[in-house]
Amino acid sequence: EPEVTQTPSHQVTQMGQEVILRCVPISNHLYFYWYRQILGQKVEFLVSFYNNEISEKSEIFDDQFSVERPDGSNFTLKIRSTKLEDSAMYFCASSTESAVLNQPQHFGDGTRLSIL
Amino acid sequence: KQEVTQIPAALSVPEGENLVLNCSFTDSAIYNLQWFRQDPGKGLTSLLLIQSSQREQTSGRLNASLDKSSGRSTLYIAASQPGDSATYLCAVIGDTGNQFYFGTGTSLTVIP
Repeated sequence: EPEVTQTPSHQVTQMGQEVILRCVPISNHLYFYWYRQILGQKVEFLVSFYNNEISEKSEIFDDQFSVERPDGSNFTLKIRSTKLEDSAMYFCASSTESAVLNQPQHFGDGTRLSIL
Repeated sequence: KQEVTQIPAALSVPEGENLVLNCSFTDSAIYNLQWFRQDPGKGLTSLLLIQSSQREQTSGRLNASLDKSSGRSTLYIAASQPGDSATYLCAVIGDTGNQFYFGTGTSLTVIP
């Protein structure tokens, strides 16, 4: 069965550095999402992306964050200047249609980001 | 803002027992509700999706119900097995569109 794949599985970065998290969504999916889960807390929505632009973002997704689909397969999340509180598990997800059309989102295994 | 709560936070049952996990949400204006399973160090696996117009969905030993007007959903697991041990999350799509609001999760342990 097709999967969403995320790399790397674990990223360790110094505070203030830029980091790029990578995702390869399922190939025929059109909607892409990033979520994060701080240790012991809820999964939180960051951003959704469709047709090469952001369709929705949460208040967490501030100017330090950006997303890009640089080619036909990758979907990336960039954090410009990392802070300690950015340490979390970041999940990428994709779906064939908008979630409001009742299509399930398929999640990757996540990237654990540790900021030192 | 939508708030999603799950009760209990943790549950431990002997193998073979039937069990119910609860999910409640504060805003009944949802498009759908999805139940996920999360294994330690892994991503989320979608189990069941219930559309707002539906009352329940079934897959194998799992049955999820939805009472949108009262803001509640339950996940029923029949004849539990040790392999069911995981954290179970519910999430709703709010009326703004694609944003999922996740619950706090129920950590399930099935004892052999």
